[in-house]
This record gives sequence, structure tokens and C-alpha cells, in this order.
Amino acid sequence: DGGITQSPKYLFRKEGQNVTLSCEQNLNHDAMYWYRQDPGQGLRLIYYSQIVNDFQKGDIAEGYSVSREKKESFPLTVTSAQKNPTAFYLCASSIRGLADNEQFFGPGTRLTVL
Amino acid sequence: AQSVSQHNHHVILSEAASLELGCNYSYGGTVNLFWYVQYPGQHLQLLLKYFSGDPLVKGIKGFEAEFIKSKFSFNLRKPSVQWSDTAEYFCAVNGGPAGGSQGNLIFGKGTKLSVKP
Repeated sequence: DGGITQSPKYLFRKEGQNVTLSCEQNLNHDAMYWYRQDPGQGLRLIYYSQIVNDFQKGDIAEGYSVSREKKESFPLTVTSAQKNPTAFYLCASSIRGLADNEQFFGPGTRLTVL
Repeated sequence: AQSVSQHNHHVILSEAASLELGCNYSYGGTVNLFWYVQYPGQHLQLLLKYFSGDPLVKGIKGFEAEFIKSKFSFNLRKPSVQWSDTAEYFCAVNGGPAGGSQGNLIFGKGTKLSVKP
């Protein structure tokens, strides 16, 4: 059953702690993406990766870091430098990182900072 | 920079009413346009897309959208909504020719649609 999985579904973090969100896809897609969704704000791109071992900053990369060591995995670390990390985080992938490629989304991780 | 505007934050309709959700974008070149839908508790999924050709595109579940280049618009329509259409709808744009290297996919802020049975 192909798709994108994100874990955990809910995550709680104390202020000052780093936390890593998992994203795995078995669609054999080259490109992967991380978005942040806030109520009334739509989706904003944090980071994206078009191929393994390469990634680029999106519009709101400050306070976040990523790695792309394997094609199927694109973990996102929310660092203590992110001032307002409470949000819903969505991971997506597309077959290539091309302008007309449909992006497929995972179920999301809701992060709450206590 | 590219941007996407969705004018309606929350739309409330009765079943069988017609729907039109507005989407305007700012980008002077070739664009690829998308509408995504997020049903309650479900993944964000593609509703329809436009790259080139016929400006009237048809998607899943009876939705369609019309690309009007002169107005920089890509409005979503459905002639008769159902309670199951209750969801949040996002318009997105990616500048550049189809098959070209990616620009960022820019999303609008979304429109919540509530359909009363």
C-alpha cells in the first residue's frame, strides 16, 4: 500500500527542546517537502528536497533543519530556535521536483509546545 | 514574488446550492495551478490541476475550475454541493512551464466550506 507516513500523529514538547518529525514515503518519489499549516494561514513551505543528499530552504526555514540521506525519508527537526513551533506539520512528495508535478501529502503531525 | 489570494475565508451553503470559490494569483509568467481539498480528518488531496490547453478543467467529485489568464484567476466551481463537500479548499500556484524545474508551490490561505444538510 503506497503512500506517505508521518509519525507521531501528536507530539508534545517542552520549550527549549529539539524534536524530530518523521516522514517516510514508499512511492519512489524523488522530491519531498515539509509544510507548516496554521489556522487561517494556509500551507507555508519550510524545506524541500529534489534528490537525495540535497535540500533547499523554503519560505520559513528559520528554526528548522532537515536531512535527506535516503530517498524514502525526509525527517524535520524543530529546534529550540523556532519561536512559535506549535502547528500542524505536513510532509509531501512528488515524482520529480518539477513545476507541474502533483504533490501527495501525508496525514500530518500536530506539534504542541508546552 | 508569487502569491495566491483566496477571497472567502468561510463559505456556508445549503445542499444543492451552487459553489464558486475565488482564487487569484500574482505571477506574470507561465503558471501551473492546483486546487487541493482537505476533508475533516483526512489527508490533503488534489482536486484538479491546470498546466496548459483547455482553460476549463474538470476534477474529481464534479468540481471544475476555469483559468482566466487576463484576470489571473482560477476559480473553483460546482453546480450543486453536497454535505460531503464540507472541507477546506486550497488554491496553489507554481510558476514555470510544465516539465520545467520547480519553483515553490505557493498556497492560498484556504477557504472553509460548510454545507448544511
